Amino acid sequence: QQQVKQSPQSLIVQKGGISIINCAYENTAFDYFPWYQQFPGKGPALLIAIRPDVSEKKEGRFTISFNKSAKQFSLHIMDSQPGDSATYFCAASYSISNFGNEKLTFGTGTRLTIIP
Amino acid sequence: KAGVTQTPRYLIKTRGQQVTLSCSPISGHRSVSWYQQTPGQGLQFLFEYFSETQRNKGNFPGRFSGRQFSNSRSEMNVSTLELGDSALYLCASSSQGGFGNTIYFGEGSWLTVV
Repeated sequence: QQQVKQSPQSLIVQKGGISIINCAYENTAFDYFPWYQQFPGKGPALLIAIRPDVSEKKEGRFTISFNKSAKQFSLHIMDSQPGDSATYFCAASYSISNFGNEKLTFGTGTRLTIIP
Repeated sequence: KAGVTQTPRYLIKTRGQQVTLSCSPISGHRSVSWYQQTPGQGLQFLFEYFSETQRNKGNFPGRFSGRQFSNSRSEMNVSTLELGDSALYLCASSSQGGFGNTIYFGEGSWLTVV
């Protein structure tokens, strides 16, 4: 059972535009929502993450919007650049007691292409 | 600070064989987890080790196993390889516990089963 649904599967955005990727989750126990960026031949790299006690988090050109009641969260990339072309994964996890959030459930990924 | 290091980077095995993949976490990190990435199934959690103990396990058959050593280095083993085991195997490390601690991935080991 897929617990994190990600859309769209692929996205083409013009340079300077806004890229938006959406994710929805089912498990209300999730309490940590990171986004990862992956370039071909590389492992995923953490971009930005959010906890459900805030509705938005911004780091540079990257913003996560979080809607707890709808069980949805999204990644916005402002002023998209060709170097942002990569595959983006949303993920979710929940903490176990005092332990961390190492068991990540990933979305299916979005291949983002930024065209000049 | 060196990142998560995985060896070997690429390998080809025959059906029925077994394979061992190795992971060295970031210095000071005590948690090591493993993920399988395939085009069809995406990124799936295999298991996680902390202080040599398996703390969490995903939904994979018993052919997939792992262990962690006292220096936090980890290995995963896949026995009786099947064609469907062809995948990128990713190791990730994070510091001790803590809510929302950052998980860092290595570049992975590409396994091809023929």
